[in-house]
Amino acid sequence: DAKTTQPTSMDCAEGRAANLPCNHSTISGNEYVYWYRQIHSQGPQYIIHGLKNNETNEMASLIITEDRKSSTLILPHATLRDTAVYYCIVSQSAVSGGYQKVTFGTGTKLQVIP
Amino acid sequence: EAGVTQFPSHSVIEKGQTVTLRCDPISGHDNLYWYRRVMGKEIKFLLHFVKESKQDESGMPNNRFLAERTGGTYSTLKVQPAELEDSGVYFCASRGANYGYTFGSGTRLTVV
Repeated sequence: DAKTTQPTSMDCAEGRAANLPCNHSTISGNEYVYWYRQIHSQGPQYIIHGLKNNETNEMASLIITEDRKSSTLILPHATLRDTAVYYCIVSQSAVSGGYQKVTFGTGTKLQVIP
Repeated sequence: EAGVTQFPSHSVIEKGQTVTLRCDPISGHDNLYWYRRVMGKEIKFLLHFVKESKQDESGMPNNRFLAERTGGTYSTLKVQPAELEDSGVYFCASRGANYGYTFGSGTRLTVV
């Protein structure tokens, strides 16, 4: 799996958009960008994933640059419950036959401030 | 659908004892994974099952750890004998097609 680089920590005011960047300059053509988060001591939670087009779901939006070397996870209206460690992971999709393990880095610790 | 279930949620055992962790994946998910987080460290992969077969066990730390998935349904992870450095949170995940992993809430293991 390609390596990712994320800032160690970020703060965001409650109600504002949280923009979490991720660099994945060695991503290969069949690898997707996945985002997970871990709230306190709970299990990691899937947020969103994408290949090259921007994606949006009920939790977040994912913006992937045209060259696919970086992406940004956007939480449009951050709440205190969004305080967590956010992981950007590059991995093959299950559809393309990739059921390999994912490699968690250190992630970005997002603190949402009242 | 029901999520990934792990039990126990917490376990405190003495050094040298045996502990067995259990994971029930989402029904129909052939792929099951074990991960763990040791205090202050990153989440690390342990092993991957496809149905009842071990696809990748490169992350298993040593032979004190034994994982099984008889029948391709639930999985167990046994630590025998437990050592102090085995303390941490053990996560199980399963995966279906066209989606990300679904993780369980984890088992917090404390070896004293």
